[in-house]
Amino acid sequence: AQTVTQSQPEMSVQEAETVTLSCTYDTSESDYYLFWYKQPPSRQMILVIRQEAYKQQNATENRFSVNFQKAAKSFSLKISDSQLGDAAMYFCAYRSAETSGSRLTFGEGTQLTVNP
Amino acid sequence: KAGVTQTPRYLIKTRGQQVTLSCSPISGHRSVSWYQQTPGQGLQFLFEYFSETQRNKGNFPGRFSGRQFSNSRSEMNVSTLELGDSALYLCASSLQLGTAWGSGANVLTFGAGSRLTVL
Repeated sequence: AQTVTQSQPEMSVQEAETVTLSCTYDTSESDYYLFWYKQPPSRQMILVIRQEAYKQQNATENRFSVNFQKAAKSFSLKISDSQLGDAAMYFCAYRSAETSGSRLTFGEGTQLTVNP
Repeated sequence: KAGVTQTPRYLIKTRGQQVTLSCSPISGHRSVSWYQQTPGQGLQFLFEYFSETQRNKGNFPGRFSGRQFSNSRSEMNVSTLELGDSALYLCASSLQLGTAWGSGANVLTFGAGSRLTVL
């Protein structure tokens, strides 16, 4: 079974600064997807960014980028130019690409606070 | 287009009762998944439906069940409620079931959840 670990329960950042959230995972599979989801106080899970394991190039979405280290099984999220609206719980998630289905395995989450 | 719609948003039940939650996926999406979110256990996968058939199931007791209708709408049911069933229940939909590389078709879009409180 796959596991996802987020070792930082809480993080804080000053507005306009950069912050990196950590995520490690354990799997014996070679084909998979990795995701970062954001859950603001409204509780709606919002996809931030995704990475296919076969791609060596790190995914980027505007101010969000990842550092995907497949051998180290590490998948960190960097938020640049942090904004107040980035404050939320962030979840790292794994999905197998070797079995059918869309089942996600989530980490414990990191609560991000953005200070003005 | 409309997102994933979950109803009801909030509900309160007492122990021993049963509850049914509903999820309407994004138009055209055929796969619906359910997750339970609690402070202690985090986000846990309940089950996934595609074309009216349960395709995957998480490690939950048989009190938790679900179904999917021909229009892809899904319901989940919890019978004989326990205090520990208090949680946020999240539904997510995706376009298809599969492992297509490089496709966004398998990306899950979540609803706002149904907050269940069991007294």
